[in-house]
Amino acid sequence: AQSVTQLGSHVSVSEGALVLLRCNYSSSVPPYLFWYVQYPNQGLQLLLKYTSAATLVKGINGFEAEFKKSETSFHLTKPSAHMSDAAEYFCAVSEWDNQGGKLIFGQGTELSVKP
Amino acid sequence: DSGVTQTPKHLITATGQRVTLRCSPRSGDLSVYWYQQSLDQGLQFLIQYYNGEERAKGNILERFSAQQFPDLHSELNLSSLELGDSALYFCASSVRQGAPDTQYFGPGTRLTVL
Repeated sequence: AQSVTQLGSHVSVSEGALVLLRCNYSSSVPPYLFWYVQYPNQGLQLLLKYTSAATLVKGINGFEAEFKKSETSFHLTKPSAHMSDAAEYFCAVSEWDNQGGKLIFGQGTELSVKP
Repeated sequence: DSGVTQTPKHLITATGQRVTLRCSPRSGDLSVYWYQQSLDQGLQFLIQYYNGEERAKGNILERFSAQQFPDLHSELNLSSLELGDSALYFCASSVRQGAPDTQYFGPGTRLTVL
């Protein structure tokens, strides 16, 4: 079975500082990995996804993530945090067989941005 | 706006009751997924349908059932409700079904069982 682990349930940064949200995965097959963001009282919005085309994936709102097979990691970064980035972030891995499948989510990391 | 709609937005009911949550996928999407989000369990997959057929099942309770109709909308039925069923229920949809396919999430239905 595949899984993801997000290190740190809460991360706080100052506005303008680097954002780093950590995600490690466990998978017996080449993984497909996703980062979603959830703003308060809203659904999940896709930030970016890794589908083996390139190890550095650029997403929306200035976020990017790098797939590192040797470290089984897919950390999310943004060079300069903005107040509007405050939200909960979820890393997910896609698990499928020949019938169907699902996303398996990490526990989430709540990002706070201080002025 | 993801294009996935869910109704109702909020639902308050009593233990032992039955409710139905409705989801309309994005136009053209054939696959629908249901997830439950709670404080203690996080985001958990419940069930997936593709073009009207059940394709994958997660830790969905026997008291819960779902279906996808010919017009591709889906309903999640929760019966004999318990306090612990209080949660946010999300529907997601994707064009096809496959590991790399992006799942687009609706705004969710917040269920409160009193």
